[in-house]
Amino acid sequence: EAQVTQNPRYLITVTGKKLTVTCSQNMNHEYMSWYRQDPGLGLRQIYYSMNVEVTDKGDVPEGYKVSRKEKRNFPLILESPSPNQTSLYFCASSGQWNNEQFFGPGTRLTVL
Amino acid sequence: QKEVEQNSGPLSVPEGAIASLNCTYSDRVSQSFFWYRQYSGKSPELIMSIYSNGDKEDGRFTAQLNKASQYVSLLIRDSQPSDSATYLCAVNRGLSSNTGKLIFGQGTTLQVKP
Repeated sequence: EAQVTQNPRYLITVTGKKLTVTCSQNMNHEYMSWYRQDPGLGLRQIYYSMNVEVTDKGDVPEGYKVSRKEKRNFPLILESPSPNQTSLYFCASSGQWNNEQFFGPGTRLTVL
Repeated sequence: QKEVEQNSGPLSVPEGAIASLNCTYSDRVSQSFFWYRQYSGKSPELIMSIYSNGDKEDGRFTAQLNKASQYVSLLIRDSQPSDSATYLCAVNRGLSSNTGKLIFGQGTTLQVKP
């Protein structure tokens, strides 16, 4: 089954404790993205990757890091989480010839 | 001005009616446009993509694009209660259709009443 998976689905953590949210896709897609969704602000792109070792900032990259060492994986790293990073996070992937993105199930992160 | 604007709603229509959802965008060079549906607590799901001016139909859904007016819309015919969701308009930034840069509107909440 074609899918995008994220782990963990729910996470409660404390300020400053480094965390990684994993994202994996099995569709051999070139593009992968991370978004956060907040009430009243909608979906905002954090980072995206056009292929292995190629990443670029989206609209809200501050406080986040990403890496793309393998085509299927695109982890999101919060090196020192803060309460303003409490949000619902989505990973998405799409093929190279269009930008029809398939979304993962989401990760609800709470930073205390 | 927001790059992609949608009326947040809620838009309420009776079952069986046509629901019309609208979206405007500011970047004149945008080439690709998408409609996603998001049920409460779930991830966005792609329902339509449109790349050229005019109408594109898929079942009960019709996407309409007018690049001159920078306007894209989604019509849902014979609306069903199961169509009740938030509909997100998304626009690809830039000249290329595959830049990976996608910007979303805040979404329109649709309520279909039995």
